[in-house]
Amino acid sequence: GESVGLHLPTLSVQEGDNSIINCAYSNSASDYFIWYKQESGKGPQFIIDIRSNMDKRQGQRVTVLLNKTVKHLSLQIAATQPGDSAVYFCAENILTGGGNKLTFGTGTQLKVEL
Amino acid sequence: GAVVSQHPSWVICKSGTSVKIECRSLDFQATTMFWYRQFPKQSLMLMATSNEGSKATYEQGVEKDKFLINHASLTLSTLTVTSAHPEDSSFYICSASSGIGGDTQYFGPGTRLTVL
Repeated sequence: GESVGLHLPTLSVQEGDNSIINCAYSNSASDYFIWYKQESGKGPQFIIDIRSNMDKRQGQRVTVLLNKTVKHLSLQIAATQPGDSAVYFCAENILTGGGNKLTFGTGTQLKVEL
Repeated sequence: GAVVSQHPSWVICKSGTSVKIECRSLDFQATTMFWYRQFPKQSLMLMATSNEGSKATYEQGVEKDKFLINHASLTLSTLTVTSAHPEDSSFYICSASSGIGGDTQYFGPGTRLTVL
């Protein structure tokens, strides 16, 4: 039978196209959100972040959009390149009694086709 | 800047033995370090948070006596997996935060643990 957690959502895009990766977060108290890129066998690499008082932030080729009303976050990658192929995770930061804590989303596998 | 290293990058051990993994912040002082575990094709799960000089705070379901964490200095935290079993085989990733500006965590490259 199918095992839970072994099927990562996959997004396939053509090289040069724009990619949009979506994420739903759970806690309305989250005040800070980060997108990470993880290549196989490596640790997460910071891409871009956004605070809860903003709804859009742009970086180099990447844009993050935050919709607090529906608790939704998206990462847009412009002119996707083969080097963008990786798993992308969103993470929400929550301030708890023990300090700041990140909760990661399930991840999306981005595959760039030549 | 903000480089975090882990050692070893991979380790294979026999069931019942203990394994120590080191996490170092190379160019900044990490007031807080975090340890995560990641199974294949799954997300990162926070195991524990450690602040320099104090006891680690473990997430629910993580056995503190099995996963010993020491954060003895502002640049080094260690995770010891005691009496390892095959089900402990996983990718262990640490991150570090300087506490300045509060939130940003910088991640290490991970350690692949395989328990035979």
